[in-house]
Amino acid sequence: QKEVEQNSGPLSVPEGAIASLNCTYSDRGSQSFFWYRQYSGKSPELIMFIYSNGDKEDGRFTAQLNKASQYVSLLIRDSQPSDSATYLCAVTINAGNNRKLIWGLGTSLAVNP
Amino acid sequence: DTGVSQDPRHKITKRGQNVTFRCDPISEHNRLYWYRQTLGQGPEFLTYFQNEAQLEKSRLLSDRFSAERPKGSFSTLEIQRTEQGDSAMYLCASSLALRNIQYFGAGTRLSVL
Repeated sequence: QKEVEQNSGPLSVPEGAIASLNCTYSDRGSQSFFWYRQYSGKSPELIMFIYSNGDKEDGRFTAQLNKASQYVSLLIRDSQPSDSATYLCAVTINAGNNRKLIWGLGTSLAVNP
Repeated sequence: DTGVSQDPRHKITKRGQNVTFRCDPISEHNRLYWYRQTLGQGPEFLTYFQNEAQLEKSRLLSDRFSAERPKGSFSTLEIQRTEQGDSAMYLCASSLALRNIQYFGAGTRLSVL
């Protein structure tokens, strides 16, 4: 079982719609959860991080965390064509004395004008 | 620009040659990470430093790869006797140890011919 799983997509939504991206993880001890956006040929860019159960909002982005069900999601409201990118979920796991970031493979999002 | 800086942005080399990449982290960040990413995959962890100490190195990493952070500031990643399979984007990220929120540089794209 992969430690962090995401649907590869592509997820296609019309402009102005809500895009919903999901991520599940296997380590119940995970404490920190991150969403990164990556445009083709570019490096990952931090969008949001969340530590506590519930919702965290930042502009058009909302991260939702449910530790009991071991999933974290990212909602993008009023989707724009410029949101078309791959969205990477990353989760911190405990690895010995260190906390390590484990990455999903990413979900490709296409926002159609 | 106070973000993570990587140099060069692109490197084309012939198989068997050695290459070296440089990363300058965000100035107050004491942790520095190296990742490798190929198309359709999430970032693959290579190694990380806290200050000048290399705390972890991926077991998947060939001994042809070596990294240094001699003064706890910039870091170099060297690949000796490059192979075509080394072609990838090499990403550097930095963070504060306490928060582990990683910020990425633009990456170095390596092509081995």
